[in-house]
Amino acid sequence: DGGITQSPKYLFRKEGQNVTLSCEQNLNHDAMYWYRQDPGQGLRLIYYSQIVNDFQKGDIAEGYSVSREKKESFPLTVTSAQKNPTAFYLCASSIGARGKIGELFFGEGSRLTVL
Amino acid sequence: EDQVTQSPEALRLQEGESSSLNCSYTVSGLRGLFWYRQDPGKGPEFLFTLYSAGEEKEKERLKATLTKKESFLHITAPKPEDSATYLCAAFTGGGNKLTFGTGTQLKVEL
Repeated sequence: DGGITQSPKYLFRKEGQNVTLSCEQNLNHDAMYWYRQDPGQGLRLIYYSQIVNDFQKGDIAEGYSVSREKKESFPLTVTSAQKNPTAFYLCASSIGARGKIGELFFGEGSRLTVL
Repeated sequence: EDQVTQSPEALRLQEGESSSLNCSYTVSGLRGLFWYRQDPGKGPEFLFTLYSAGEEKEKERLKATLTKKESFLHITAPKPEDSATYLCAAFTGGGNKLTFGTGTQLKVEL
């Protein structure tokens, strides 16, 4: 079955530590995205990538970093510079064509808690 | 600034009691309006895309409609399994960016 796999599902981090969230897709989609979801707020875009070896900042990129070395993979690192990292993180992909740009396929999410 | 507002925040229905969820948007140059369903602790699942005013899409008990200012998600004769949070998002042409609303949490009771 095609889909998006995020890991880990739950992650606990001590303050000052960097953590990396994994996102793998086998849908052969060009575009991949990272969103953050907090209670009472809409999904907010952290980073997105339309093609391998290229990515752009979203609305809340500060304190995060990404890489896109392979089409299938788009890992997100939450660095110690992120002031409030406790949140539900969602990875998504899309075909990338303009007409389908909003038809996102999401992973199951990773819940990060800072202790 | 692009804005998407959903109402109500929460809605409780009895099984079979039809209702509508609202998604109003203030964006420059709407290129698409999208509806998603999200179950607790899961990622959103894509439901519908609407591109122009007057367009309608249907799937089982759900029907999405679009006007120039808002979209509605009509739920006909809902069942408990329709309980979820429903998100809408507006895409504007200025880049690969969707603006999401905060969602309507729907609970359908027996």
